[in-house]
Amino acid sequence: KQEVTQIPAALSVPEGENLVLNCSFTDSAIYNLQWFRQDPGKGLTSLLLIQSSQREQTSGRLNASLDKSSGRSTLYIAASQPGDSATYLCAVEEGTGGGADGLTFGKGTHLIIQP
Amino acid sequence: ETGVTQTPRHLVMGMTNKKSLKCEQHLGHNAMYWYKQSAKKPLELMFVYNFKEQTENNSVPSRFSPECPNSSHLFLHLHTLQPEDSALYLCASSHTGPFLEKLFFGSGTQLSVL
Repeated sequence: KQEVTQIPAALSVPEGENLVLNCSFTDSAIYNLQWFRQDPGKGLTSLLLIQSSQREQTSGRLNASLDKSSGRSTLYIAASQPGDSATYLCAVEEGTGGGADGLTFGKGTHLIIQP
Repeated sequence: ETGVTQTPRHLVMGMTNKKSLKCEQHLGHNAMYWYKQSAKKPLELMFVYNFKEQTENNSVPSRFSPECPNSSHLFLHLHTLQPEDSALYLCASSHTGPFLEKLFFGSGTQLSVL
């Protein structure tokens, strides 16, 4: 059974710092990996999606990398801002693809950016 | 706004009540999902509907009953729930095909079972 682990569980850093969030998964036979952001009491917002054939994706100050063979992904946030404070979730799609099996999520990293 | 709307936002119910959660998406997606988010646990997939057909039931107890009348609407009917069913219930939608595209989530229904 696929398991997704995110480290650290919580992180607090001063504004302006660059930071890295880590995600690992036990079964490397994935079809894609997504990073989400969740604000308190809210739903999830998809940030980046990396197909299994890709190595990285970038959106603004965010960069996500994928090393499928080692079962790892990182989310890099450059020049962090207080508005980046949220819980960041990593999720993988496996099975036969096509969305039929949904996603397997990690527990998330709770990030606080101090002004 | 993500294009996925869930109602109600909050729900308190007794163990003998029957209630329904509603989800509507305005994105033209063909797949819809129910996820459960409990404190200190990863999101758990409950049900998947693809072109109105249920393709996944992730060993969910029968006290949760999904309904998908069309590709834009999804319901979760609740009856005789237990206190441990208290959680945030999230609906999501996406396009599906060779690979799953980005999921779009609603804001969720925070359910408390007394």
